[in-house]
Amino acid sequence: DTGVSQDPRHKITKRGQNVTFRCDPISEHNRLYWYRQTLGQGPEFLTYFQNEAQLEKSRLLSDRFSAERPKGSFSTLEIQRTEQGDSAMYLCASSLGTGAALTYEQYFGPGTRLTVT
Amino acid sequence: AQSVTQPDIHITVSEGASLELRCNYSYGATPYLFWYVQSPGQGLQLLLKYFSGDTLVQGIKGFEAEFKRSQSSFNLRKPSVHWSDAAEYFCAVGPMDTGRRALTFGSGTRLQVQP
Repeated sequence: DTGVSQDPRHKITKRGQNVTFRCDPISEHNRLYWYRQTLGQGPEFLTYFQNEAQLEKSRLLSDRFSAERPKGSFSTLEIQRTEQGDSAMYLCASSLGTGAALTYEQYFGPGTRLTVT
Repeated sequence: AQSVTQPDIHITVSEGASLELRCNYSYGATPYLFWYVQSPGQGLQLLLKYFSGDTLVQGIKGFEAEFKRSQSSFNLRKPSVHWSDAAEYFCAVGPMDTGRRALTFGSGTRLQVQP
């Protein structure tokens, strides 16, 4: 399978706990994105990496959220002290970096559904 | 800031009927335009994209979309809908000239297909 993969697919946690999600992009893609999607809404951008550098962060990414891409391959998104409002689908996407148009052609993984109880 | 509007939250069509899903964007220049489809509990699959050139673009699964600059629209069409097309459809834009790399999505249109 050469698509974007995410793990876990589902996570149920209690309020106040920390959670970490993993994303493995398409192997030749050097750009990686995290989005959050709540029920009935389209995805909202959280953050973006080019290789290992985190180049852009949304205002949605509070200080409880941190994302890394240590070797420019897989990425992790950690949420500390989870709140019920963090319940959402967290989507990862990747794209090629060769040219602006291809940068925007993003391919999405299946997502991690987080439920905070 | 750019925005994307999908005016129809929910559309129901009969199998075999034609389909048009509306998308309007607000942006100072021509953005890159995309349509994605999302089945329940799944990620998003890219249906088609517009970067430049011919304003009618073909995508996968028999879908097409037409970019109309004068109307700031990028509507998705399919001549004959199949039951398997039932899903949620998202229009998205990417700004060409701001340096940002994030896509901005509409709130989606849920398509229901009646037998």
